[in-house]
Parts: sequence; structure tokens; C-alpha cells
Amino acid sequence: QKEVEQDPGPLSVPEGAIVSLNCTYSNSAFQYFMWYRQYSRKGPELLMYTYSSGNKEDGRFTAQVDKSSKYISLFIRDSQPSDSATYLCAMKPGSNYKLTFGKGTLLTVNP
Amino acid sequence: EAEVAQSPRYKITEKSQAVAFWCDPISGHATLYWYRQILGQGPELLVQFQDESVVDDSQLPKDRFSAERLKGVDSTLKIQPAELGDSAMYLCASSPRGSGLNTGELFFGEGSRLTVL
Repeated sequence: QKEVEQDPGPLSVPEGAIVSLNCTYSNSAFQYFMWYRQYSRKGPELLMYTYSSGNKEDGRFTAQVDKSSKYISLFIRDSQPSDSATYLCAMKPGSNYKLTFGKGTLLTVNP
Repeated sequence: EAEVAQSPRYKITEKSQAVAFWCDPISGHATLYWYRQILGQGPELLVQFQDESVVDDSQLPKDRFSAERLKGVDSTLKIQPAELGDSAMYLCASSPRGSGLNTGELFFGEGSRLTVL
């Protein structure tokens, strides 16, 4: 079993839809959770960062962490064609540890 | 806006040849990372530098890969000899001293896509 599991999709939704992206993990020591967005032929960019459990909201994006279930989610409200990208979850146990990335989920938002 | 610069963007080579990738991190960023991203996979860390020192190279295939950051600024990743399985995107990332380690925010370059024939 990989440390971080992420459904690669692809996921295709109409513009304006609510999108839910998820990752599960097996290492209970993970404390820092991130979502990166990667456009085609580009490097990843940090979208959301959460420490430990709870929710974090930033505009149309909401990140949730449920450590009891070892499950994290990213919600995108009112999705736009410009949200079409691969979304990578990433996590690590502590500040001096390396990030472990999921495989990424390819999202397409159709106008 | 400051960016991580990488070159070349694309490289096609034959197996057994040598290849080299160059990275110039954001000015002032002390930590530099080289990641490999195989198509359809997430990035995997190859090597991490803090200034000019290697912090983590546990996943670097040292029989054929080498990396250096001689003056603690730009860095070079070399593969010799290249193998078919090395075809991937090689991403360089940097982070400021302190904050990147805590938040996980890495600033990535656009990557160097390697195809080995």
C-alpha cells in the first residue's frame, strides 16, 4: 500500500459545478497537508496548506483534513474552465521531513 | 515576479548518453530540491540541498545520477548514462530558509522534460 493514495481520474465537470478531490493516507504521523495545482507542462504551485485537522477556506477553495479517517479533501465551488489542471495532494510528518505527493487528479471543467 | 529558472525545457537523448539539467532558484532561497515526475505520477524527491550541502539524497540513484550546488545558488543535475526508464519531467524547486520547511510551500520551476530513446 502506498503512503498516499489519490484517484487519478480523469474528472470532467461542467462549469459552475462543485468539485470534490480526495486523498487517503496510511501514515498517521502526517501533520502538514497541502494541495498543489499543476497546469499542463508547468510545475506545481501551492494552492492550499493545512496543519493537522480541520477546514481552511480561501475564496472558492476549501481544504478539509480528517485525521481520524486519514482522509483529506479539496472542494472547488463554482468551478471555472481555468481550474482545469492536475491537483496533487502532498503531506509530511513534520517541518524537517520531505513531502510525499499523491499521483494527482486530472480535472477538466467544461464551459 | 521571481521564478525558478530551469533549462533545457525539453531534452531528447539516446540511452547511454549523458544529460545535464540546470536550475536557478529564486534569489535568496536557501533550500533547493530536485524532483522527478514520471507521467501520471506525483513528484518524487531526488535530492535536497540546504545552501551548498546535501540534506537528503536517499532516493538519488547514485550509480548514474549526480547533483551539485557548488556556491549555494544554482544547481546542476546530471545523468550518466541515461536509461530508458529515466524518461520523466525533472522539476527543480526552492524554498526560503525556514518557512518552506514548515508550510511545505515549494516554488517549482517549469521543469525539464527528458525523453530517452
